[in-house]
Order: sequence, then structure tokens, then C-alpha cells
Amino acid sequence: GEDVEQSLFLSVREGDSSVINCTYTDSSSTYLYWYKQEPGAGLQLLTYIFSNMDMKQDQRLTVLLNKKDKHLSLRIADTQTGDSAIYFCAEFSSNTGKLIFGQGTTLQVKP
Amino acid sequence: EAQVTQNPRYLITVTGKKLTVTCSQNMNHEYMSWYRQDPGLGLRQIYYSMNVEVTDKGDVPEGYKVSRKEKRNFPLILESPSPNQTSLYFCASSTSGSPSATQYFGPGTRLTVL
Repeated sequence: GEDVEQSLFLSVREGDSSVINCTYTDSSSTYLYWYKQEPGAGLQLLTYIFSNMDMKQDQRLTVLLNKKDKHLSLRIADTQTGDSAIYFCAEFSSNTGKLIFGQGTTLQVKP
Repeated sequence: EAQVTQNPRYLITVTGKKLTVTCSQNMNHEYMSWYRQDPGLGLRQIYYSMNVEVTDKGDVPEGYKVSRKEKRNFPLILESPSPNQTSLYFCASSTSGSPSATQYFGPGTRLTVL
């Protein structure tokens, strides 16, 4: 079945770049997403990338997709304390028509 | 303000006592869904609804019911809650079920079943 895997925790210093990685198994994925969850809040869509793209940039965020290796990453440049949150990778499976989420990566930003 | 609201935000209950978690959106969205979030498992879809009076099972529907009598509301019903339903629940809505349609999430309901 479909599976999305992320590392559970990442700690960086303020001002550094953060890279959060994700792997998925479903080759029928058409859209891949990054969501952010701040403490006590719901998920907020940060960005998404079509499976026929390999990179998307949006201000401090860069998404890289390696479709051959089924690897997705989110790079946050100049990480700020306000970026501390849980980041979820998700894929839309065209096989099942469902959104499959990873376990979430907790990003801790130290001042 | 465009939003998805859930009530209650926190609930502690006992095994077997029926409960309902309400979800309402003011964006005229057709698609609504319920997820549960458990540590180490991410979000898993419980039920979804493509439109009024149309509901379907997600990945973990056992022990839950939903209804969609009106476009704006999508309540989640636990007829006989059990401790394994202790979780953080999120309602979400979007204009459609298309993968390009952004899902908007509610703030979550933390449920504890003793």
C-alpha cells in the first residue's frame, strides 16, 4: 500500500537552513504537499508540487522532488523561531484518490 | 473570516457514552473530511463527504459515523467510544475533492476516552 515516511525530529539554530526529508512509495502520486502545524492549531498548507516538476521555490521555501527515488524535501532558508512547528509531507495517490500523510517532523529552532 | 470550526476543542468522556464532535465551515465548500492524528502515525482519514448527502469511508472508519445534511456541517459521531479512540481529531474542507484544491483544517478536538 501507499506509505509516506519522515524523520521525526530536526533541530537547527536560528538563521541556519533547515532541510526536512520525506520518502514515499506510491508511483502514482500526482501531487505532493508540505503542511505546517503550529502548537494547538490545525494543519496549514505551505506549498505543493506537481509530480512532473523537480523544484518549486516560494520565498524562503524550496521544495525538491526526486521522482526516481521517490524523495521529497523542504528547505527553509534563514530559519526563524516562528518556523518551529511540525511539518507533514503528504501525497495524493491517484490509485486510491486519497491524501496520505507522513508521521510529521518536529522542527525545533534554537535562538 | 473564512474558517473551519470544531466543537468541543477538548473532551474527556467514558467508554460507551455517545458523543458528537461538530464541524462547520463558512466557505461554501463541497468537500469535507475527518482525520485523526496519533503520535508516530501522522493523519489518517476517517470519513469524507464529496457533497450534501454523499459520504464515504476513509482509511479508519470503524467506530465512527458521519452525516452531511447541510453543506456547511459535517458532524462526527462516536456511538460507543472506546479508549483506542483517544486521539486528536481534525475536520477539513475544500472546494472539491480534487488534489489541487487546498484543504482548510479546523483547530482540532482533543478527545480522551477513559
